[in-house]
Amino acid sequence: DTAVSQTPKYLVTQMGNDKSIKCEQNLGHDTMYWYKQDSKKFLKIMFSYNNKELIINETVPNRFSPKSPDKAHLNLHINSLELGDSAVYFCASSPRTGRTGYTFGSGTRLTVV
Amino acid sequence: AQSVTQLGSHVSVSEGALVLLRCNYSSSVPPYLFWYVQYPNQGLQLLLKYTSAATLVKGINGFEAEFKKSETSFHLTKPSAHMSDAAEYFCAVTGEIQGAQKLVFGQGTRLTINP
Repeated sequence: DTAVSQTPKYLVTQMGNDKSIKCEQNLGHDTMYWYKQDSKKFLKIMFSYNNKELIINETVPNRFSPKSPDKAHLNLHINSLELGDSAVYFCASSPRTGRTGYTFGSGTRLTVV
Repeated sequence: AQSVTQLGSHVSVSEGALVLLRCNYSSSVPPYLFWYVQYPNQGLQLLLKYTSAATLVKGINGFEAEFKKSETSFHLTKPSAHMSDAAEYFCAVTGEIQGAQKLVFGQGTRLTINP
């Protein structure tokens, strides 16, 4: 009965590979997000989807492509992985207004070697 | 544009002492403010939120925060620190701009509790 679940929890891969991270929420929220947490713990939004529609794209390289097959799922595909992509990626969801708060997944630690 | 500044990247207190984590925000629209906690190797857990109701907000684990519009602050406090409070704390602001919501975080404050 996890509210926001991400898979995998850990991902180690070589430079140049393509990888995907999956996210699912069972809260009935309309909006889903991807955040990146860097090595200094700073959290920055990457994308936001509202009911399958992309509404925020924060100048993320086009190697990153989010996909939302339905409002309960938001996946992140990354092409041609680089060393600098190493980070923890968090999925989150919220109601349309966001005022009640955002619920976060447990994160995916991506390490590019 | 919205932004959050957390004063002090690292705060250290003794067990039983007062915890005070400072947060100042900037927002061009009425803000909703949040405090999140992150324990090592875990996700973000919501501690408390301000959504324009009462200015003194109580959260989980004995934490509370006061919204002060005149000071653009939303400081987090706990009267008596416990060892289990050691974690990273994030202040965040959100508001609807041009039809889109996003949560903007401060840089985080690491709280250490000394026995």
